[in-house]
Amino acid sequence: DTGVSQDPRHKITKRGQNVTFRCDPISEHNRLYWYRQTLGQGPEFLTYFQNEAQLEKSRLLSDRFSAERPKGSFSTLEIQRTEQGDSAMYLCASSPSLGQNIQYFGAGTRLSVL
Amino acid sequence: SQQGEEDPQALSIQEGENATMNCSYKTSINNLQWYRQNSGRGLVHLILIRSNEREKHSGRLRVTLDTSKKSSSLLITASRAADTASYFCATDLSYNTDKLIFGTGTRLQVFP
Repeated sequence: DTGVSQDPRHKITKRGQNVTFRCDPISEHNRLYWYRQTLGQGPEFLTYFQNEAQLEKSRLLSDRFSAERPKGSFSTLEIQRTEQGDSAMYLCASSPSLGQNIQYFGAGTRLSVL
Repeated sequence: SQQGEEDPQALSIQEGENATMNCSYKTSINNLQWYRQNSGRGLVHLILIRSNEREKHSGRLRVTLDTSKKSSSLLITASRAADTASYFCATDLSYNTDKLIFGTGTRLQVFP
């Protein structure tokens, strides 16, 4: 499978716990994006990487959120001290550095904070 | 905040009918894209229209763009039950950023 893969697909956690999600982009894609989507809404941008460099972060990305892409391949998104408001679908996407910025999405990780 | 507002929020039609969805946005764009999302899944790119284009076709899809009104429409002709999904417009902004700004989406239900 050469698409974007995300792990886990579902995560249930208790408030206050830390969670980490992983995204493996399409192998030749330099750009990697994280979005958050709540029920009935469109995806909202969180952050993106060009290779290992984190180039932009949304104001939505509070200090409890951190994302890394250490070797310019896979990426992780960590949420510390989760809150119920963090419950959402977390989507990862990748795109090649050249071209028209068409993004290829993974199936997402659905987080439920109890 | 989200860039695009989509209209209608929900649309129900019979197979064979056409479905039209509209998107309005707020700022200058490089291009506008439409994505489809099946329930609980990731998004799939459908079609892209550049800011200097007015209309584009791909199979049963027709997209128009009016930059003076900051609006776009997606027409799906001869709809099928398999077209049931949510449809989102996404804008690629004209300043130095690669993020996409998504609209609120239209939920399309096509009845057999």
